[in-house]
Amino acid sequence: DTGVSQDPRHKITKRGQNVTFRCDPISEHNRLYWYRQTLGQGPEFLTYFQNEAQLEKSRLLSDRFSAERPKGSFSTLEIQRTEQGDSAMYLCASSLGAGQSTDTQYFGPGTRLTVL
Amino acid sequence: AQSVTQPDIHITVSEGASLELRCNYSYGATPYLFWYVQSPGQGLQLLLKYFSGDTLVQGIKGFEAEFKRSQSSFNLRKPSVHWSDAAEYFCAVGGRRGGATNKLIFGTGTLLAIQP
Repeated sequence: DTGVSQDPRHKITKRGQNVTFRCDPISEHNRLYWYRQTLGQGPEFLTYFQNEAQLEKSRLLSDRFSAERPKGSFSTLEIQRTEQGDSAMYLCASSLGAGQSTDTQYFGPGTRLTVL
Repeated sequence: AQSVTQPDIHITVSEGASLELRCNYSYGATPYLFWYVQSPGQGLQLLLKYFSGDTLVQGIKGFEAEFKRSQSSFNLRKPSVHWSDAAEYFCAVGGRRGGATNKLIFGTGTLLAIQP
């Protein structure tokens, strides 16, 4: 069990550019979550996958954001035409999933995005 | 509406002193409750969780928390803090039993500083 990993750890980009982040969950975890955390705040839910199906999206996830989990393993989060307001820490979490009465989310180290 | 309140934004305690971090929640059903800790620039580490049963739960690093349904609280405690406990602490609620999603709702966090 190597834990949840995220890549890159830091990303600096110019406004208007596209960025993509990757998350590798704990192996055999069926559920994968994306959260966004801005300075001084707790993480806020963005979206959730059960295997490859994206089952829920927050209203925070504007049309410029898209997430995929094509084979039910790793996931990518893409932000198109970045804005300064997108600057935040993007956190990924995974959990065992359906059927687990005590489902617990384990978080990765996050990707820190800075939009100049 | 579901929410989590952490009334204390910043707390300073002396090394060796006891600690209590407050958490109040609003949730329509019996909640799952969590405490996570975050070191600067890092992801979240799970300290402990409550799903059911004994209302006093033990976690890692000597932390414990008590679920009080009548007060809608889930306060975190530690009898004697160490300098390495300096970090930000987040309370979270979530997990509809048998539900399709398990997204977490976080409080705004409490930043803990330790005085030598």
